[in-house]
Amino acid sequence: QVQLVESGGGAVQPGRSLRLSCAASGFNFNTYAMHWVRQAPGKGLEWVAVTSDDGNLKYYADSVRGRFTISRDNSENTLYLQMNSLRAEDTAVYYCVRGGNPTVTMECWGQGTLVTVSS
Amino acid sequence: SALTQPASVSGSPGQSITISCTGTSSDVGGYNYVSWYQQHPGKAPKLIIYEVSNRPSGVPDRFSGSKSGNTASLTISGLQAEDEADYHCTSYISDSAWVFGGGTKLTVL
Repeated sequence: QVQLVESGGGAVQPGRSLRLSCAASGFNFNTYAMHWVRQAPGKGLEWVAVTSDDGNLKYYADSVRGRFTISRDNSENTLYLQMNSLRAEDTAVYYCVRGGNPTVTMECWGQGTLVTVSS
Repeated sequence: SALTQPASVSGSPGQSITISCTGTSSDVGGYNYVSWYQQHPGKAPKLIIYEVSNRPSGVPDRFSGSKSGNTASLTISGLQAEDEADYHCTSYISDSAWVFGGGTKLTVL
């Protein structure tokens, strides 16, 4: 079955960096777009970034563009999110999400990893 | 901008409820790519409706989706206690990007 396991979350000071990973299994990773979606404590969901199945196309939410970089290693079935210049408002649970194929949706979600940005 | 959902709705077991999700012609109104997610406390969201009105396998047919103009709707009929959860809508906007609503808390009375 589809499994998405995020790791790399933790507490970090403002202005520092963190890299999240998402290990995927149970499906052909290199045939799906992959997303990061986050949820601040007690708040709604916010789409963060997407990468195409081959990693050549990447799009970002305005709130993270220029600070976050999404990438993937299809040989390792792993998705990444490099987060630089972190701010308090980046505090959230970060979910790794598989896109649909051929459906247009965000289909399968990991359990999430918590990132806390605080001095 | 985020899509607009009511903060909360409630209903009694067996009743039907509808949750609205209002956007603009640039998101909800411009594409038939609205999805809905159910999220229980402390859990990851679960896809329950995609492409406005399609249900993934395993999702009960008590859950249905529709769209009119710039507003999408999720209807849950025959409410059950286990339906109590947060519900989130999302719409494709462009360039593979998506926008979410603020989420709606459903209380089963």
